[in-house]
Amino acid sequence: GAGVSQSPSNKVTEKGKDVELRCDPISGHTALYWYRQSLGQGLEFLIYFQGNSAPDKSGLPSDRFSAERTGGSVSTLTIQRTQQEDSAVYLCASSLSPAGNPDTQYFGPGTRLTVL
Amino acid sequence: AQTVTQSQPEMSVQEAETVTLSCTYDTSENNYYLFWYKQPPSRQMILVIRQEAYKQQNATENRFSVNFQKAAKSFSLKISDSQLGDTAMYFCASSGTYKYIFGTGTRLKVLA
Repeated sequence: GAGVSQSPSNKVTEKGKDVELRCDPISGHTALYWYRQSLGQGLEFLIYFQGNSAPDKSGLPSDRFSAERTGGSVSTLTIQRTQQEDSAVYLCASSLSPAGNPDTQYFGPGTRLTVL
Repeated sequence: AQTVTQSQPEMSVQEAETVTLSCTYDTSENNYYLFWYKQPPSRQMILVIRQEAYKQQNATENRFSVNFQKAAKSFSLKISDSQLGDTAMYFCASSGTYKYIFGTGTRLKVLA
C-alpha cells in the first residue's frame, strides 16, 4: 500500500449509535494524526499518535470521542452516541518523522460520516 | 496561538493564465514548514508544495511556486499555465509543534 487508507469511505448512521473509523498509515510512518473537516470548513485537529501513545487528547471535541493505535500502525477513531453535529469528513494523516519535528503529513481519502 | 489566514474564499482564472493565492500565518515556532495542499472533489488532500522556513529560496514544483516572505509571514502560491485539473480547494498550512494549522481554504475554479 503506497498511501494512507481509510475505511469506510462513507458511513451513514442514526443519532445515538456508535461508529468506528479506521486508518491505515503509510508503512514505517511513526506519527499519525486525525482531523475533522466540516462542510465548507478547514481542518480541525483532533488527536495525534506517536507510536501507540497519544500525548495530547485536548483536540477531541467531547468525551464521546476516543482513539487508539495498535502496533504502531492501524488507528481507530470511535465516536459514541453520535450526534448530528458529528457529521463531517474525518481525515487521517501520517508522517515519517516523529511528531514534534516538522515534516510532511500524507493524508488519506477520508471517511464521510453522516448522522441522521 | 498559531493561525493561518486565507483571505480569498473563491477565485477563478482562465485556462493557461496565472493565478496567485494568498496566505498569511503567525507562529511562535522557530523551525517550521509551510504547505499548500489541494483538495479536489474526491476530497483527497494532495500536497502541492512545501517550504522549509529556514530556506530563503522559494520552493518550486513545475507550474507551482511560492512567494515566501518570512518577515511579513506571508506565503502565497502561484499557479502558472492554469489547467482545468487545477480546479479544487487549496489549503495553506503551517506545521506546529505536532499538528498542522490550516487556513479555511480558497476555492479555485479554472475556466475553459
